[in-house]
Amino acid sequence: EVQLVESGGDLLQPGGSLRLSCAASGFTFSDYWMHWVRQAPGEGLVWVSRISIDGRNTRYADSVKGRVTISRDNAKNTLYLQMNSLRAEDTAIYYCTRGRRGSNSLDYWGQGTLVTVSS
Amino acid sequence: SYVLTQPPSVSVAPGQTATITCGGNNIGVKSVHWYQQKPGQAPVLVVYDNSDRPSGIPERFSGSNSGNTATLTISRVEAGDEADYFCQVWDVSSDHWVFGGGTKLTVL
Repeated sequence: EVQLVESGGDLLQPGGSLRLSCAASGFTFSDYWMHWVRQAPGEGLVWVSRISIDGRNTRYADSVKGRVTISRDNAKNTLYLQMNSLRAEDTAIYYCTRGRRGSNSLDYWGQGTLVTVSS
Repeated sequence: SYVLTQPPSVSVAPGQTATITCGGNNIGVKSVHWYQQKPGQAPVLVVYDNSDRPSGIPERFSGSNSGNTATLTISRVEAGDEADYFCQVWDVSSDHWVFGGGTKLTVL
């Protein structure tokens, strides 16, 4: 069974930093592109970032570019999102998602981890 | 950047057919994917590549895409289908994944 379990969410002050983790199991992690998607309270889904199989190819949404770094450790079956210079508008549930092979869809999602940025 | 437009809400009686649209410039040349999200839960992929269903998704869920509009159709709607539905595409020009704003489906 495919499982994606996020952790690392917290309450932080503006300007703070945080690293989110996503532990993957039930599939060959190193065979899949991975993404982070976020959802502010009561709002819609917003794509944040994606990373290629080997970690060499990454992309970021304009709203986080320069402040966020996606990475992965295929030996540990773990996806990461390093977030710096956090702003109130970064407050959201952050979901780890798997890119479906042969498609641009996202076929499995974790339950999410909540990041709250507030003074 | 590419923009996807969905109606904020759609209402339908049980047993009827729900139609949720997703508008975008020449969206018919893109592959559109649909997600269902129930309150307090993570999204679930219900249709991918315009009209394909992942395993475990009922045949009642179907999709189409042409011109400037993609459509998710839910036949014989049940109370358990009440949820938010989001469309999504990959924008080749920016290499970004893009979501529509979401549609709240209410089963009357």
